Formats: sequence, structure tokens, C-alpha cells
Amino acid sequence: AQSVTQPDIHITVSEGASLELRCNYSYGATPYLFWYVQSPGQGLQLLLKYFSGDTLVQGIKGFEAEFKRSQSSFNLRKPSVHWSDAAEYFCAVGAHTGTASKLTFGTGTRLQVTL
Amino acid sequence: SQTIHQWPATLVQPVGSPLSLECTVEGTSNPNLYWYRQAAGRGLQLLFYSVGIGQISSEVPQNLSASRPQDRQFILSSKKLLLSDSGFYLCAWSVHGGPTDTQYFGPGTRLTVL
Repeated sequence: AQSVTQPDIHITVSEGASLELRCNYSYGATPYLFWYVQSPGQGLQLLLKYFSGDTLVQGIKGFEAEFKRSQSSFNLRKPSVHWSDAAEYFCAVGAHTGTASKLTFGTGTRLQVTL
Repeated sequence: SQTIHQWPATLVQPVGSPLSLECTVEGTSNPNLYWYRQAAGRGLQLLFYSVGIGQISSEVPQNLSASRPQDRQFILSSKKLLLSDSGFYLCAWSVHGGPTDTQYFGPGTRLTVL
């Protein structure tokens, strides 16, 4: 069965500083990987996804993520964090049943941004 | 464009009472539909998914059930709520397609069982 580990429960960065959120996955086949962001009390918004091809994927809001098969990682990065980026971030791996794609999520990383 | 709605947004229910949460999708046909639960301080757990009307797959044994009476309507129910049913319930949809389906989430329902 697939699994996702987000080792950092909580991260605090200063506005303007760079950010890297870690994600490690376990999956026997080709992984389909996602990053979602959740603001307090809200649903999840898709930031970016990786299916195949270029291992560096660009997403919305200036985020990017790099897929590294050798490390089973899909870390999320942003060069300069804005105060509005404060939220909870979830990494997920998708597995297809033949008719539906099921997501397994990590436990999330809460990002706090200081001014 | 596609839109996903959930209601109610917030619900407070006593233990032992019934539950009905509704999710509807607009702007697409024959979507895959999903129910997730997010317990406090934890990640999301897939509860049910549906690939068509009347077709429900359950991921974990629990006190809840799901139904899909119409193509774009997905309902989460319980006959008797437990304290452990408290949480944030999210509905999602995806195109009824292949392995690279992307799931899009609704705004969620906050359920508190007292």
C-alpha cells in the first residue's frame, strides 16, 4: 500500500525567505504526486502535480516541486514566501484502481510566516 | 467551469442523531466523487468513492454510509452519530478517466458531535 510522510509538522519562516517542505512517498509503481494547500476552515486547493516528464514542476502562486525517484521525494519549494502563504500544506500520492484514482495524504505541514 | 458545493458548512449534532451531508458538482458529467474526513490535527482519510450512480466503494469500516442518487450528487449519511464522527468532511470530484485524474475539493463541512 502507498504511504506519504511529511516529517515537518510545523515550520516557521520569515516573509521573503525561501521555503522547502519535505515529502517522502512509498509506492510500488509509477507515482502520481500532488501538493495541495488548505487555508484555515477551507477546502483544499491544488498547487501542482507530477505525472511524468520533467521532474521539476511549476505550480500556482510561485510554488515548484522536484520529483526525485532515487530519494522517493517530492519536496515543495518557493524562493520567497509571502505572508499570505501561511496555511497547511498536504502532499499526496495517487493510485488508480482501474476506475478511480485514490489519494493517500500525508499528515500535513503547517506553515507560519513571520513579518 | 466546474464548481463543487457542500452543505451545510457547519453542523453541530448530538450523539445518536442522524446525519446527512450533501455534495453536488456543476459543469461536468459522470464525475468520480469522493468523501474524505479530516480529524483534528491529522491528514485526510478517504472514506468513500463513487464512479457512477448507485456505485459506492467503502475504504474503511465505520459508522457512515454514502449514496449517489444522481450523477452529480453525493450524500454522506449516518443513522446514529458517535463522538468520533466529529471532523471536517471534504467532498472531491475528478474526471472519470485514467490514472492521472486530478481531484478537486469542495469547501468542506465542519461536523461537531456533542
